[in-house]
Amino acid sequence: NAGVTQTPKFRVLKTGQSMTLLCAQDMNHEYMYWYRQDPGMGLRLIHYSVGEGTTAKGEVPDGYNVSRLKKQNFLLGLESAAPSQTSVYFCASRTTAGELFFGEGSRLTVL
Amino acid sequence: GENVEQHPSTLSVQEGDSAVIKCTYSDSASNYFPWYKQELGKGPQLIIDIRSNVGEKKDQRIAVTLNKTAKHFSLHITETQPEDSAVYFCAARGGGFKTIFGAGTRLFVKA
Repeated sequence: NAGVTQTPKFRVLKTGQSMTLLCAQDMNHEYMYWYRQDPGMGLRLIHYSVGEGTTAKGEVPDGYNVSRLKKQNFLLGLESAAPSQTSVYFCASRTTAGELFFGEGSRLTVL
Repeated sequence: GENVEQHPSTLSVQEGDSAVIKCTYSDSASNYFPWYKQELGKGPQLIIDIRSNVGEKKDQRIAVTLNKTAKHFSLHITETQPEDSAVYFCAARGGGFKTIFGAGTRLFVKA
């Protein structure tokens, strides 16, 4: 029972490069979320999805894009990485009752 | 949109003492208030939650109180143990799909 799996776990990018973070969940949850975690700022919502084929903006969506082509997967893309996007990224899926299940995080460094 | 403030940012207690973490929220429509614990290198995990129709909820050594009038909610940990050392996040969710987090409290329990 994997829960929520994020890949990759670590990545180093140069400014301007692009990349995609993959999140996969095996709990058949409709709702999925991408957060970023920075020191002293908690978890800030980037984008979320309420079902296959849907996406919506969170608190800090600029510089990111997402896609939810399959119910179990939620992709987070950076088209042109900037040093300000250095962070730890967490994906989560949510039960109908409201509990969030988080992955173990993806640590991204942009040089 | 919703804004959640959390205090203190750091809390150090002696083993066996109690710890209290306080949060305030801004959106009066919020009706679900979870608390998450994050251990080093892991994703946050739900430890307790409370809904707006309840004033207090307890689960063994942890309890949460909610004052809807004042838009305050608090986490209480009694008889703290070294394994309680972690980062704790409060959060709030209204009628929509977004769960908004506080900035987190780093709890140190000294043996």
